[in-house]
Amino acid sequence: SQQGEEDPQALSIQEGENATMNCSYKTSINNLQWYRQNSGRGLVHLILIRSNEREKHSGRLRVTLDTSKKSSSLLITASRAADTASYFCATDALIQGAQKLVFGQGTRLTINP
Amino acid sequence: DTGVSQDPRHKITKRGQNVTFRCDPISEHNRLYWYRQTLGQGPEFLTYFQNEAQLEKSRLLSDRFSAERPKGSFSTLEIQRTEQGDSAMYLCASSPSGSVGELFFGEGSRLTVL
Repeated sequence: SQQGEEDPQALSIQEGENATMNCSYKTSINNLQWYRQNSGRGLVHLILIRSNEREKHSGRLRVTLDTSKKSSSLLITASRAADTASYFCATDALIQGAQKLVFGQGTRLTINP
Repeated sequence: DTGVSQDPRHKITKRGQNVTFRCDPISEHNRLYWYRQTLGQGPEFLTYFQNEAQLEKSRLLSDRFSAERPKGSFSTLEIQRTEQGDSAMYLCASSPSGSVGELFFGEGSRLTVL
């Protein structure tokens, strides 16, 4: 079963607009990560935010974390056609007695030129 | 490039055949993970190794699946008597030891079972 749930499942915007994706999770965490995946390729790590952090920036990416609501958001500013990809949140969850990274179902982002 | 490499990238097989995938992690990484991803879904955890020890195996894995990491270097994932439901992308990732941080993924091995 998935730990995280992304919302929306699909998002289509015009180039230059901002894209916001949300992630909700179920259990307490040490950190939350966002990954990107181009079609048919492996996942690429974007950013990690620790449970004691509320906001983090990396280039055009801004991630927020609200542990009281068990939710996170990923904002991509000034989107580009090359940002078209699927984006996944992942949390380190204690499952079956071991810490492991559990992924959500992802948001498919399409940037229209 | 010394990233994670997986082989083969694509495998088409008939139902009932055995298949094996190989993963070469980043050389200094002690942890190695296998995930499975079906179309439109996120990666699902299968198993992971700390050096050569297999520390966890998901309940998703039936007895037809086996993974090894001899000498704590490369890893293999074997699926015996494949079924159509095994069709998926099999992703390998590695990371340094310690708490669960960034995973470095390979490009995946796509399996199609006819």
